[in-house]
Amino acid sequence: DAGVIQSPRHEVTEMGQEVTLRCKPISGHNSLFWYRQTMMRGLELLIYFNNNVPIDDSGMPEDRFSAKMPNASFSTLKIQPSEPRDSAVYFCASSSSGGSNQPQHFGDGTRLSIL
Amino acid sequence: AQSVAQPEDQVNVAEGNPLTVKCTYSVSGNPYLFWYVQYPNRGLQFLLKYITGDNLVKGSYGFEAEFNKSQTSFHLKKPSALVSDSALYFCAVRDLRQTGANNLFFGTGTRLTVIP
Repeated sequence: DAGVIQSPRHEVTEMGQEVTLRCKPISGHNSLFWYRQTMMRGLELLIYFNNNVPIDDSGMPEDRFSAKMPNASFSTLKIQPSEPRDSAVYFCASSSSGGSNQPQHFGDGTRLSIL
Repeated sequence: AQSVAQPEDQVNVAEGNPLTVKCTYSVSGNPYLFWYVQYPNRGLQFLLKYITGDNLVKGSYGFEAEFNKSQTSFHLKKPSALVSDSALYFCAVRDLRQTGANNLFFGTGTRLTVIP
């Protein structure tokens, strides 16, 4: 079975540029999560969607960050404009509708470097 | 307040020896508990979970964890460590009292190194 697919795996860009990260959740999963991982702050939840609707975006650091889920099989996380402190590994995860006892399945992340 | 704590940033163990990675939680009631493992340049992978029933839960790769309600702990264990078990381990707790918003909280992770 295909897992959660993220693209690109690596992104290097200059500060001020727009960055778009993409995620394809596991088919049939109705919850999707975006996380950020850094050495300093560990794993942080940015936003999560249920049935394509954003439920909790309290972790989004500031207005430069936005996320969309136009359909059940695709989500994007956008940073505009990007800053060096946004450098991190960004993970997407999905889980099924079996209730809160279901684990999250993670993609392999996008390693983002802002110069 | 932290809902889940992993008191050790780093655990070293010799190959073949038993290993324990500690996790404690501070959620009241009956939380759901999870362990994940992260290998270099990979996402977190689910290892095992405790929802209800038997306090000893068995998971992938020979790992197990014991739910201890009186000590509010959910330590991860393996009888005999392999070098390939070296990775970053995360404990997570789902606080069922919180609905609507995110209610899954991850610990800060413990780096396990198995020494050949």
